[in-house]
Amino acid sequence: EDQVTQSPEALRLQEGESSSLNCSYTVSGLRGLFWYRQDPGKGPEFLFTLYSAGEEKEKERLKATLTKKESFLHITAPKPEDSATYLCAVQALGNTPLVFGKGTRLSVIA
Amino acid sequence: DARVTQTPRHKVTEMGQEVTMRCQPILGHNTVFWYRQTMMQGLELLAYFRNRAPLDDSGMPKDRFSAEMPDATLATLKIQPSEPRDSAVYFCASGTGTGTGNTIYFGEGSWLTVV
Repeated sequence: EDQVTQSPEALRLQEGESSSLNCSYTVSGLRGLFWYRQDPGKGPEFLFTLYSAGEEKEKERLKATLTKKESFLHITAPKPEDSATYLCAVQALGNTPLVFGKGTRLSVIA
Repeated sequence: DARVTQTPRHKVTEMGQEVTMRCQPILGHNTVFWYRQTMMQGLELLAYFRNRAPLDDSGMPKDRFSAEMPDATLATLKIQPSEPRDSAVYFCASGTGTGTGNTIYFGEGSWLTVV
């Protein structure tokens, strides 16, 4: 069974304090790993897709990396507007639906 | 700006009542998903369709939940009768179902409270 575990559950950072969120996964064969951002009262918003180990993608202060067992979402010099829940999901080979982790709730304090 | 549209955004209903949630996927997307989100379980897949055909509804309680896609622009999720444990946020998402790694896009959710 495909599984996604995210850590920590919650993270509190001072503005400008860089950190990383972790997404560990087990999947029969990885087709893609996805990162989403979810603001309170909103639906998840797509950030990145990673397809193979070693791949990296960046968007503003966010950088996602992928290994064969986990993905990291690095947040550099975060700002209060980066506060949100970050969700990780995997898709297995065979065009199956995404399986989500429970998310990391990030708070960035000014 | 293409987006998934869900109605209602909020619904409070009494136990035993029927609840119908509707979703308009992004035009051109042929794969539609229903997810439920709770604090305890996170996002759980309830059912999904490809080209309007149901592919998997194993995540739904069959005795009370039903999902349909009457046409390419409308997906519905119905709960009858509703129970307090159904209180959650129900998300619809759509994607193209093709290509390497199939990104899906979510609506804003239907926030259901059953009292």
